[in-house]
Amino acid sequence: GAGVSQSPSNKVTEKGKDVELRCDPISGHTALYWYRQSLGQGLEFLIYFQGNSAPDKSGLPSDRFSAERTGGSVSTLTIQRTQQEDSAVYLCASRFGREPLGEQYFGPGTRLTVT
Amino acid sequence: AQSVTQPDIHITVSEGASLELRCNYSYGATPYLFWYVQSPGQGLQLLLKYFSGDTLVQGIKGFEAEFKRSQSSFNLRKPSVHWSDAAEYFCAVGYSSASKIIFGSGTRLSIRP
Repeated sequence: GAGVSQSPSNKVTEKGKDVELRCDPISGHTALYWYRQSLGQGLEFLIYFQGNSAPDKSGLPSDRFSAERTGGSVSTLTIQRTQQEDSAVYLCASRFGREPLGEQYFGPGTRLTVT
Repeated sequence: AQSVTQPDIHITVSEGASLELRCNYSYGATPYLFWYVQSPGQGLQLLLKYFSGDTLVQGIKGFEAEFKRSQSSFNLRKPSVHWSDAAEYFCAVGYSSASKIIFGSGTRLSIRP
């Protein structure tokens, strides 16, 4: 079956522009996560969705970052007024909702480069 | 605060040699522990996980890990590595009180022919 997909795979943008990153989770997975992976760093948790609500958005680094999820499926991570320090790989993961600490299935990521 | 430490940034082992990747966590209660692998150009994949019970857990691709509460460790092992094991390995910890897991900074494994 289809795994988690993310688009675009690569995004180059100029400093100050807004970007939208998309995640399509595995069908039926109610939980969805966004992570950021900077060069040489581990995965930094950004936000967690259960259905369309976000009970934990503690990892969003600033108010320039926001995310939404609609229809309990697709999620969009938006970064406004991008800065060079936002350059990273943004990973999305989904899991079956009834297992709070069950396996997360990861997408291939979106590599964001801010010039 | 909860944290995960992977003290080795980069390890190189010869093909056929044994492997141990270290992971230490910080938390008062019993954690849920995971090892994920990120191969070049691929997404992260779960190797194994520990929730409770037998402290030695078996995973995919011939990997195993042992939970040692006294040492707050969950080291990953493989008796004989293959060239295809070259990848980035991440240890992660989760807690029953939350639905998110915290990842370590990763260990990059290189295989010497």
